[in-house]
Amino acid sequence: QSALTQPASVSGSPGHSITISCTGTSSDVGADHYVSWYQQHPGKAPKLIIYDFSDRPSGVSNRFSGSKSGNTASLIISGLQSEDEADYYCSSYTTNSIIFGGGTKLSVL
Amino acid sequence: EVQLVESGGGSVQPGGSLRLSCGASGFTFSGHWMHWVRQAPGKGLVWVSRIKNDGSTILYADSVRGRFTISRDNAKNTLYLQMNSLRAEDTAVYYCVRDGVGRGHDLDYWGQGTLVSVSS
Repeated sequence: QSALTQPASVSGSPGHSITISCTGTSSDVGADHYVSWYQQHPGKAPKLIIYDFSDRPSGVSNRFSGSKSGNTASLIISGLQSEDEADYYCSSYTTNSIIFGGGTKLSVL
Repeated sequence: EVQLVESGGGSVQPGGSLRLSCGASGFTFSGHWMHWVRQAPGKGLVWVSRIKNDGSTILYADSVRGRFTISRDNAKNTLYLQMNSLRAEDTAVYYCVRDGVGRGHDLDYWGQGTLVSVSS
């Protein structure tokens, strides 16, 4: 049940774009096991923002998008806004478990 | 509106037990797999357990297998987590989470969480 690998932190300026990577293995992401992304503000429950690599739930801003290449999935946030400052987690699954990345703290400078 | 409301958290000594409950409303509870996910203070998300919509398939993380038991009562729209032989490292906020409608195991609705604190 190894975790997915995310950068600990990323930062960007308002209006700019950032990318958060999520690297797995050939047993999860590389095996086309779908990846989801979650946003978590301090003291709040996580919120689903991307599922099935690149689909957005209803109500989620189209500034959030996702992609996948090989063993790595990516979350792209365009037009950064102050409210995007939060922790972001990716997740996927294996035969016997759900696995999360360690989380990435996004700072909007 | 989908709602998941956890209860049952609290402080317990090592070796003790707690039973968490999660009341579900706003959707057909019996139509969804459900999960428990936990988050230790200042740490990341960790999956704990999953139960199929009819209760027929159950999975656990290695760290809790043999100590925790997930169950559900579809007639009461309630998910449970019985936690025995609790350890300090089980201290965390425990979230009740719905498995979504995507093709993978997307977790589309989360409860507000209930805090479990294990210490002597």
